[in-house]
Amino acid sequence: QSALTQPASVSGSPGQSITISCTGTSSDVGVYNYVSWYQQHPGKAPKLMIYEVSNRPSGISNRFSGSKSGNTASLTISGLQAEDEADYYCSSYTRSSTLYVFGTGTKVTVL
Amino acid sequence: EVQLVQSGAEVKKPGESLKMSCKGSGYNFTNYWIGWVRQMPGKGLEWMGIIYPGDSDTRYRPSFQGQVTISADKSISSAYLQWSSLKGSDTALYFCARLSGDHVDHWGQGTLVTVSS
Repeated sequence: QSALTQPASVSGSPGQSITISCTGTSSDVGVYNYVSWYQQHPGKAPKLMIYEVSNRPSGISNRFSGSKSGNTASLTISGLQAEDEADYYCSSYTRSSTLYVFGTGTKVTVL
Repeated sequence: EVQLVQSGAEVKKPGESLKMSCKGSGYNFTNYWIGWVRQMPGKGLEWMGIIYPGDSDTRYRPSFQGQVTISADKSISSAYLQWSSLKGSDTALYFCARLSGDHVDHWGQGTLVTVSS
């Protein structure tokens, strides 16, 4: 089971919006609405930001939103802030025996 | 409050064995899958495998099958990840994670493993 494909890096200025893509296949992203997104600061545990494509857990800012079209899911961060600078990973349920797969990860830089 | 507390950092030599732990509290440990995730230095997150403590049903990612053993002891709300013979390439940060359906809603703090002669 290969990792989902994300851009290595995305950057934006404070206040701008950025979008991170997550491309899978018809065995994972394309067939299940079970895509989640995680934020990870260096040396820290990941933190859930979005689940089931577009749902925000309690306490997560509405600046974070998720969507999906076909085999590609997306995470949008609006009103970019300095504290948003981190690595972001998508994850999807998959038909394979491993059940779950992560994306390759995207480093978000706030200019 | 749900918590997953992992055992401390380890420094090992190649060929040595290791068993790390992840203790859950604040919820019914038997009712949620626990997954193990590897993060090699400077790299991304990788699922290694998952276990359902209620019946010890375990699934491994093919690349980790036979390389590690995942187990759980529901009587003490703990999950384990073990190696019988470590290699330098096992140097990584390892996380345990609670799966709530399709996503991870709680993570352990991570256990750093360094394997060096």
